[in-house]
Amino acid sequence: AQTVTQSQPEMSVQEAETVTLSCTYDTSENNYYLFWYKQPPSRQMILVIRQEAYKQQNATENRFSVNFQKAAKSFSLKISDSQLGDTAMYFCALGADGLTFGKGTHLIIQP
Amino acid sequence: KAGVTQTPRYLIKTRGQQVTLSCSPISGHRSVSWYQQTPGQGLQFLFEYFSETQRNKGNFPGRFSGRQFSNSRSEMNVSTLELGDSALYLCASSLAGPTVSGANVLTFGAGSRLTVL
Repeated sequence: AQTVTQSQPEMSVQEAETVTLSCTYDTSENNYYLFWYKQPPSRQMILVIRQEAYKQQNATENRFSVNFQKAAKSFSLKISDSQLGDTAMYFCALGADGLTFGKGTHLIIQP
Repeated sequence: KAGVTQTPRYLIKTRGQQVTLSCSPISGHRSVSWYQQTPGQGLQFLFEYFSETQRNKGNFPGRFSGRQFSNSRSEMNVSTLELGDSALYLCASSLAGPTVSGANVLTFGAGSRLTVL
């Protein structure tokens, strides 16, 4: 069975700060993908970033980057220069034999 | 191009009734997945359809069922509704079918919010 754990139910930071969201996972698969999805208030869930487990280089998308530690089964998301529009639920997900989501972290960006 | 469309967006039912939710994927997408989202349990996988065949199924009772049509549109049905079925039901589509590595990027709809009284 696959598990995804997000240990921070809620986080709050000031606008322009950098914030890191934690995610750990467990799987017996060797080849898998990891994702961060964002769900803004009353809006659709969208993909933030994707990482293939075989790639050692951490994925980056503009202000969003990940710290992927395969041996530790850790996949954290760093948001630089946070903006008010980053306020959302963030879900870490593991893709291997189906997609398993963590419970989410509610990120609040304060003005 | 149009996104993933889910209907209805909101609905209220009473215990014992049944409900059917609809999902139209992005044009060209052949895979449709369904998720149940609740504050307590988070996002839980219901099932995935590809080319009109159920390819994966989550750990839900048989009251939850689905199907996919030849145009890739999908419906899910919940019979004998219980209070605990109150949730946001999310549909997501992807271009390709299920992969062992789980590489597919999902495009989600806005969801159907079901309230069971």
